[in-house]
Amino acid sequence: EAQVTQNPRYLITVTGKKLTVTCSQNMNHEYMSWYRQDPGLGLRQIYYSMNVEVTDKGDVPEGYKVSRKEKRNFPLILESPSPNQTSLYFCASSPFGHGELFFGEGSRLTVL
Amino acid sequence: QQQVKQSPQSLIVQKGGISIINCAYENTAFDYFPWYQQFPGKGPALLIAIRPDVSEKKEGRFTISFNKSAKQFSLHIMDSQPGDSATYFCAASRAGTALIFGKGTTLSVSS
Repeated sequence: EAQVTQNPRYLITVTGKKLTVTCSQNMNHEYMSWYRQDPGLGLRQIYYSMNVEVTDKGDVPEGYKVSRKEKRNFPLILESPSPNQTSLYFCASSPFGHGELFFGEGSRLTVL
Repeated sequence: QQQVKQSPQSLIVQKGGISIINCAYENTAFDYFPWYQQFPGKGPALLIAIRPDVSEKKEGRFTISFNKSAKQFSLHIMDSQPGDSATYFCAASRAGTALIFGKGTTLSVSS
């Protein structure tokens, strides 16, 4: 089944404790991206990657890091999480850059 | 700043009625206008999309109407059903740039 898989789906952590949210897609897509969804703010792009070893900032990159060492994986790293990073995070992929996006089911992160 | 403004924020429609969600954009270079549907606990999924060379696109009960001169586009859901209850996002982009999403509309269809 074609899908984008995120882990963990739910996480409660404390301020400053590094964490990684993994994302993997099995559709051989070139493009991958991370979004955060907050009430009243919609979906905001954090980082994106057009291809392996190519990443770029989205609209809200502060406090996040990403890497794209393999085509299928695009982990999101929070080096020192803060409460304002409490959010619902979505990974997405697309076969051709900024076209139709296929989203994962989301990772709900709470930073205390 | 490139923006996509979506309204209303929430919408309640009776079963069988028409749901209408509107979006307005600023950048005339945008050339792709999709709508995404999101059910609780799930990621958004592409519902329907349009390019500016047509004024309307219909897929089943869902129709996008596009007004290039007014820089507006809208989603119409005919014969709305309780199963259509979800959050809907409009978006826009141009070649080589990321999708910019509206803030979403929560639709509730009452039975």
